[in-house]
Amino acid sequence: DTEVTQTPKHLVMGMTNKKSLKCEQHMGHRAMYWYKQKAKKPPELMFVYSYEKLSINESVPSRFSPECPNSSLLNLHLHALQPEDSALYLCASSQILRDRDTNQPQHFGDGTRLSIL
Amino acid sequence: AQTVTQSQPEMSVQEAETVTLSCTYDTSENNYYLFWYKQPPSRQMILVIRQEAYKQQNATENRFSVNFQKAAKSFSLKISDSQLGDTAMYFCAFMKPLLLSGNTGKLIFGQGTTLQVKP
Repeated sequence: DTEVTQTPKHLVMGMTNKKSLKCEQHMGHRAMYWYKQKAKKPPELMFVYSYEKLSINESVPSRFSPECPNSSLLNLHLHALQPEDSALYLCASSQILRDRDTNQPQHFGDGTRLSIL
Repeated sequence: AQTVTQSQPEMSVQEAETVTLSCTYDTSENNYYLFWYKQPPSRQMILVIRQEAYKQQNATENRFSVNFQKAAKSFSLKISDSQLGDTAMYFCAFMKPLLLSGNTGKLIFGQGTTLQVKP
């Protein structure tokens, strides 16, 4: 069982729809990530939240809008998406250890398979 | 900029045999972290093994071990006694240390190797 929960598992939407992807973790991690993954390709980083603040935006189009309402939740709001946005969207989380120069591994959810009609 | 290269797009191995997946990377950093992630058809990315560059000893996790050659910038994954459940896409990933990367580490992935374990 994954410790990072993503809903929904599958989503089909039209280009004019508005929908949201949700991600939840209860491991006390203070960094959360959104990735986009095309078939047979590595994940591409979209956004990083650190202590509920957006710390990295990898030049993602504004039709993708992230939100981190609290330390356990991460949302990705979708609006006016294009067919090329069809992909697997992965959420991940990791600990942040400020007192040591160590990087904790990222834990991934099962992803949301998004199809744009 | 850091890059990660996996030169084997696809590999296959017979059940119970040993297979090695290759990974090379390019960086000017002296301290960093390397990971192998596994993504089975069920699609969840699962951490297989982790190596810290300042540690000379190669990491091992049960049937999984790495051959870390820092000077050669090579980080291969050896899977012993391959099992059908090892069938998956394997990604090698690089991460800079926390203090250099800011509050969080950005993972840089290779293109992946699809491994098929045959019965």
